[in-house]
Amino acid sequence: QKEVEQDPGPLSVPEGAIVSLNCTYSNSAFQYFMWYRQYSRKGPELLMYTYSSGNKEDGRFTAQVDKSSKYISLFIRDSQPSDSATYLCAMSASTGNQFYFGTGTSLTVIP
Amino acid sequence: EAQVTQNPRYLITVTGKKLTVTCSQNMNHEYMSWYRQDPGLGLRQIYYSMNVEVTDKGDVPEGYKVSRKEKRNFPLILESPSPNQTSLYFCASAIIRGISYEQYFGPGTRLTVT
Repeated sequence: QKEVEQDPGPLSVPEGAIVSLNCTYSNSAFQYFMWYRQYSRKGPELLMYTYSSGNKEDGRFTAQVDKSSKYISLFIRDSQPSDSATYLCAMSASTGNQFYFGTGTSLTVIP
Repeated sequence: EAQVTQNPRYLITVTGKKLTVTCSQNMNHEYMSWYRQDPGLGLRQIYYSMNVEVTDKGDVPEGYKVSRKEKRNFPLILESPSPNQTSLYFCASAIIRGISYEQYFGPGTRLTVT
């Protein structure tokens, strides 16, 4: 079983829609959770960072962590064509330790 | 500007010819790491380093070497590259401060081994 599972999509939504992206994980020791956005031919860009459980909001983006269900989500409100990219979840158990990534979900926002 | 830099950005080489991909960060981050990204497999960690002279294997270390002699630099060495090492490589660094453990990536190096 993979440490981190992520639906690869592709996901296609109309502009203005609310997008929900999800990852599940198997290691209950994970405490540090990240979402990255990756445009084609570019390096991953850190979008959201959450420590332990709870919600975090930044503009149109909301990250949620449910450690009891081993499930994390990223919500994008009022999606824009510029949000079209691959979204990667990542997590780690402790500082200085290994990071584990999902395989990424490809998102297209149609104008 | 705070950044992670990698060189070269593109590299085509032949089987068996030793190569080094350099990585440097100007953010004074303790943690540095190398990943490879392949279609359908996502990002996989090759090696990571918590500090100078401290390195650990990730998921796919075979065929790679690293060194961390200075805090800002973390080169990736392929002693004898093979075609299955053709991939997109990313260097990353992370700050470790309290509960902050945020990792930032370089622009990538596309390596082709023929």
